[in-house]
Amino acid sequence: AQTVTQSQPEMSVQEAETVTLSCTYDTSESDYYLFWYKQPPSRQMILVIRQEAYKQQNATENRFSVNFQKAAKSFSLKISDSQLGDAAMYFCAYRSGITISTEAQKLVFGQGTRLTINP
Amino acid sequence: GAGVSQSPSNKVTEKGKDVELRCDPISGHTALYWYRQRLGQGLEFLIYFQGNSAPDKSGLPSDRFSAERTGESVSTLTIQRTQQEDSAVYLCASSLERGSRVNSPLHFGNGTRLTVT
Repeated sequence: AQTVTQSQPEMSVQEAETVTLSCTYDTSESDYYLFWYKQPPSRQMILVIRQEAYKQQNATENRFSVNFQKAAKSFSLKISDSQLGDAAMYFCAYRSGITISTEAQKLVFGQGTRLTINP
Repeated sequence: GAGVSQSPSNKVTEKGKDVELRCDPISGHTALYWYRQRLGQGLEFLIYFQGNSAPDKSGLPSDRFSAERTGESVSTLTIQRTQQEDSAVYLCASSLERGSRVNSPLHFGNGTRLTVT
């Protein structure tokens, strides 16, 4: 079974600075997707960014980018120019790529990192 | 546009009572998931529906938990004889999945916060 580990329960950063959230995962598969989700106090999980494992280029979405190291099974999220609205819980998640059974289609989540933005 | 809708937003119930949680997925989404999130924890997979296929119930923690979905529409998660340990936020998500490749993101609702007293 796949596992996702986020080793930083809490992180804080000054507004306008850059912060990196860590995520590692364990899998024997070669085809998979990785995601970062943001969960503000409203509880809704919001997709921030996703990465296909077969793509070597790191995904970017505006101020959000990832450092995907497939051999090291590492998938960190970098937030540039941090804003107060970025404060939230951030979850890293894994999902198999090609599915034969429904077992593989669920997202596996890490425990989350609570990000605080200091004004 | 309509996203995933869950009701109720909050539910307080007494230990031993049954509860029903509802999820309205995005129209046209074939896949529907239920997750449980205990306070300060990550998301635990409960159950997955895909079209008319048999659901994946591998995450249901006990036989007190069950879920139904009619076609590609509304789903109901039922917890019988609730226990205090069932207190959590229950999140529903839907996605549009075609063929054997899984490449559609999950869209989540705001969840139902269940408190068992």
